[in-house]
Amino acid sequence: ETGVTQTPRHLVMGMTNKKSLKCEQHLGHNAMYWYKQSAKKPLELMFVYNFKEQTENNSVPSRFSPECPNSSHLFLHLHTLQPEDSALYLCASSQERIYTGELFFGEGSRLTVL
Amino acid sequence: AQKVTQAQTEISVVEKEDVTLDCVYETRDTTYYLFWYKQPPSGELVFLIRRNSFDEQNEISGRYSWNFQKSTSSFNFTITASQVVDSAVYFCALSEAAPGGYQKVTFGTGTKLQVIP
Repeated sequence: ETGVTQTPRHLVMGMTNKKSLKCEQHLGHNAMYWYKQSAKKPLELMFVYNFKEQTENNSVPSRFSPECPNSSHLFLHLHTLQPEDSALYLCASSQERIYTGELFFGEGSRLTVL
Repeated sequence: AQKVTQAQTEISVVEKEDVTLDCVYETRDTTYYLFWYKQPPSGELVFLIRRNSFDEQNEISGRYSWNFQKSTSSFNFTITASQVVDSAVYFCALSEAAPGGYQKVTFGTGTKLQVIP
């Protein structure tokens, strides 16, 4: 069982819908990340939260809105998405302030925008 | 800026063959870490190995081995006697410390390995 859990695993939504992706980690980490994985592209870092504070926003469109209520939970709120936003969204966590350690990933949420 | 290049998009081998996955990186930092991750069909990326920039010693773990060469900025991954369970997408990654205290990881585009029985 992975220490990082993502729900839902699959999501289909229309361009006018509002939905949210949820990530929960049980590893005691304080840094959490959202990555976007599209076909034939490198994983794209979207957001980073360190101790519940957003420390990076990689020029992500405002139709993606992250929320980190505590160090164990991370959300990605979605609204007015475009078909090109269809991708696998991966959540990850790591020990804070340590860049030598590995990232721990969830299994991802496969998003399809119609 | 960091960059990781995995030139091999897809590789197919027959079971029991050896296969090497290439990774070339670019960074201006003198201190950095390199990683390999495996992504099986289930989706989650699984950590395989970490190497720091000061340790060029090659490593072997069972059927897996890694060859780190700073002179060519390469960190190649070899699977010996491949098995069907090795079929997955493999990502090479480069990590550096970011000002905010977290780690900034740059991934390659991945190499999809198919091992044919």
